[in-house]
Order: sequence, then C-alpha cells, then structure tokens
Amino acid sequence: NAGVMQNPRHLVRRRGQEARLRCSPMKGHSHVYWYRQLPEEGLKFMVYLQKENIIDESGMPKERFSAEFPKEGPSILRIQQVVRGDSAAYFCASSPFQGARGYNEQFFGPGTRLTVL
Amino acid sequence: GESVGLHLPTLSVQEGDNSIINCAYSNSASDYFIWYKQESGKGPQFIIDIRSNMDKRQGQRVTVLLNKTVKHLSLQIAATQPGDSAVYFCAEPIIQGAQKLVFGQGTRLTINP
Repeated sequence: NAGVMQNPRHLVRRRGQEARLRCSPMKGHSHVYWYRQLPEEGLKFMVYLQKENIIDESGMPKERFSAEFPKEGPSILRIQQVVRGDSAAYFCASSPFQGARGYNEQFFGPGTRLTVL
Repeated sequence: GESVGLHLPTLSVQEGDNSIINCAYSNSASDYFIWYKQESGKGPQFIIDIRSNMDKRQGQRVTVLLNKTVKHLSLQIAATQPGDSAVYFCAEPIIQGAQKLVFGQGTRLTINP
C-alpha cells in the first residue's frame, strides 16, 4: 500500500513564476491537508480539503495561494507569482474518513522543497 | 497562536544513552498530543500519542509523560541509536470544525557515536 506521494520532490522557480505542487493521498483516503515548513521551524497548517471541497483554508495566505482536490487526480497546491519568502518545504498529509468525533491520524508525504531564486 | 512549544532547539546525546525531549503547551483544555519524528528530507512520522486521561504511555524504546498540572509533556527515548537522529515535534490536533495539527518548533536530536 503506497504512502502519500508528492511531486516534484524539489522545485526551483524564479520570482514571479508559478509553482504547482501535487499530492496523491494514500489509497482509500479522502481527506488531504497541506502544511508549510520554513527552515528550522515546525509545520504550519495551510488548508484542509475533501474531494471537490475546501473545508478549512484558515492557514492559507490571502493572495497568490490556492488549493484544490478534484474528483479525479491529485490535490494541487498552487502558488502564483512566487517570492523568495515562499521558499519552504510543503508537506501533504492524508487521512481516512473523518468521524464526527475524535482525530483521524494524518499520514505525511515526503514533501516538496520549493526554492525561489 | 500556537499552543505547543519546545524548550530546547537542539540536544546531543551519546549513543546508548537515554534522551528526553520536552514540550510545553498553553491550553489547559488540550486533551490529546502526538509526537512526530522527522528525519532529514522526509515528512513527519508518527511515534506515539497520549490522551489527557493518561500520565504515561510507553512504546518500543519510547515513553511519553504528560503533566497536566504544569502543562508539560516529554518524550523519552531509551538506549538511543544512530537512527534516532532527527527532529522531534510535539503536536496537538485541533478537532473543532476541521481537523488540523498544531506543531511545536521542534528539537533536533543528534546521537554521537
């Protein structure tokens, strides 16, 4: 059973370009989460999605960042007009069905390391 | 703001020794905590968790202690091995509304031969 897959693993962009990060959840998982990790810091929640729905985007910057999880295909985190401050590791996690109570364990992918020149 | 935070950013121990990594939290209503291990170039990996109705939980070579009085938890790793070198995070799931994890800053553990 393959784990969470992210690609590319490394992405280099120049200022002003667009970055697209992909995440394929574990088989059977319908919930996806994106986190950002700056160097020497902990992960910061960005957005939580279910298929075709954004559930919580409270951690997303107001501009330039967007996320989707279409009915078919991977979840995409899109960063438009990247700036140097966007350089970070972006991690995706997935979880199975979210019950009415309790916490469903999130399984993390290996991350995409974005470098903005 | 973040409700979890760590005391020390780095910790070096000799191979075979025990290590203790600390974490403080601020929300007295917090009832569930998770420790993650993040090796270089990888995503966080679940190690062990603990609920607030417990003071201690043991796994394989790891023990988590929870002190609700002072809002502190610790991760103890026994007989450390080179493979234990990593950054360790405590995290708290925020379940209300949507689920998300709030991570502390992390402690980098280095095992010296």
